[in-house]
Amino acid sequence: EAGVTQFPSHSVIEKGQTVTLRCDPISGHDNLYWYRRVMGKEIKFLLHFVKESKQDESGMPNNRFLAERTGGTYSTLKVQPAELEDSGVYFCASSQDWGRNGYTFGSGTRLTVV
Amino acid sequence: GIQVEQSPPDLILQEGANSTLRCNFSDSVNNLQWFHQNPWGQLINLFYIPSGTKQNGRLSATTVATERYSLLYISSSQTTDSGVYFCAVDGYNQGGKLIFGQGTELSVKP
Repeated sequence: EAGVTQFPSHSVIEKGQTVTLRCDPISGHDNLYWYRRVMGKEIKFLLHFVKESKQDESGMPNNRFLAERTGGTYSTLKVQPAELEDSGVYFCASSQDWGRNGYTFGSGTRLTVV
Repeated sequence: GIQVEQSPPDLILQEGANSTLRCNFSDSVNNLQWFHQNPWGQLINLFYIPSGTKQNGRLSATTVATERYSLLYISSSQTTDSGVYFCAVDGYNQGGKLIFGQGTELSVKP
């Protein structure tokens, strides 16, 4: 089966611009998660979708971040306007059964804000 | 919430050496996974191991759930093993989200 796909793999944008990251989960996985690792720190949870609904968005840092999952398939994470501290690697993961059989992560999108 | 602590924070090895990385967690967990973030930033799943022992080539992992720790063993290390190793847990009543440790940064020298 295809894994979790993220694109772009790398994005360099200027402060104040908008960037949209995309994640395609494993087909049939209702649960989709966004995480990020910024400034060399630990990887932190951003939010969790179950199908098209936001189950938990407690990790979203502020209202410059908007995540959507239309139709319960792929998801997008938009950062508008981007700030320097948003630089880091953004990961998407998906799972069946709320992670009882583990989580599969995508390769990540490296975002650099200059 | 659950606390996850990894040790050591940094490790430098000579190629061919063995190492053990540790992950302690503060509460019972549904799930525990070990990941390797390579120098290109990609996060590679190594083991899904909420309990017991698993082996995959030069890597193996053991989780003792009752004592709330997990160990990752790397034998005959290679330069390609360099990167950051993360332990992550999914606790009961956590709503299915993983809590990551701070990572162990491994550098293997030729």
